[in-house]
Amino acid sequence: EIVMTQSPATLSVSPGERATLSCRASQSVSSNLAWYQQKPGQAPRLLIYGASTRATGIPARFSGSGSGTEFTLTISSLQSEDFAVYYCQQYNNWPPTWTFGQGTKVEIK
Amino acid sequence: QVQLVESGGGLVKPGGSLRLSCAASGFTFSDYYMSWIRQAPGKGLEWVSYISSSGSTIYYADSVKGRFTISRDNAKNSLYLQMNSLRAEDTAVYYCARPIGGVRGVGWFDPWGQGTLVTVSS
Repeated sequence: EIVMTQSPATLSVSPGERATLSCRASQSVSSNLAWYQQKPGQAPRLLIYGASTRATGIPARFSGSGSGTEFTLTISSLQSEDFAVYYCQQYNNWPPTWTFGQGTKVEIK
Repeated sequence: QVQLVESGGGLVKPGGSLRLSCAASGFTFSDYYMSWIRQAPGKGLEWVSYISSSGSTIYYADSVKGRFTISRDNAKNSLYLQMNSLRAEDTAVYYCARPIGGVRGVGWFDPWGQGTLVTVSS
């Protein structure tokens, strides 16, 4: 099983500042990585797929980068609605056995 | 718009059974693979099961293999999860989600339903 490890567990950021979230895979997943945002009481929402492609309707302040085993989600200027938990997910397996990171909570500093 | 709506969650005793449903709308359900993903209270996301568009190919996470059964009815645009021999550790919000993109169309998940809570407790 490919293990996804996110860091940090919690990130305290002031509104308007940049947030950088990391995700590491236990083995190469190429660019087969997605990022999701989850707010309390809501389902996850797709932000990024293919490591760097924004999903439909996702603001440009969200960007993804990386390949292989190291990935980054950057939020360039945090807005109030961006405080949430963010998950990475790999989809490099066949048969499909998707795995998620444990999440990074972005909180208001 | 594309929408998934789960139902069927509730409180069940250890060893009991429950059947979850997911109603799909806004897309051609029979063209897409589908999955169930769960989230224990305060925890992260865990993929549970996958079914191909025709229902002929099915996979399960090891944690539920032999106890859970995924199925679909394309005529009713519906996905199901039959959960037997439930354990306390199965307590979670269960989401249905559509995997798209990637290799063989089993990449990222979009959209997700709102989830249904399953609580296993005596």
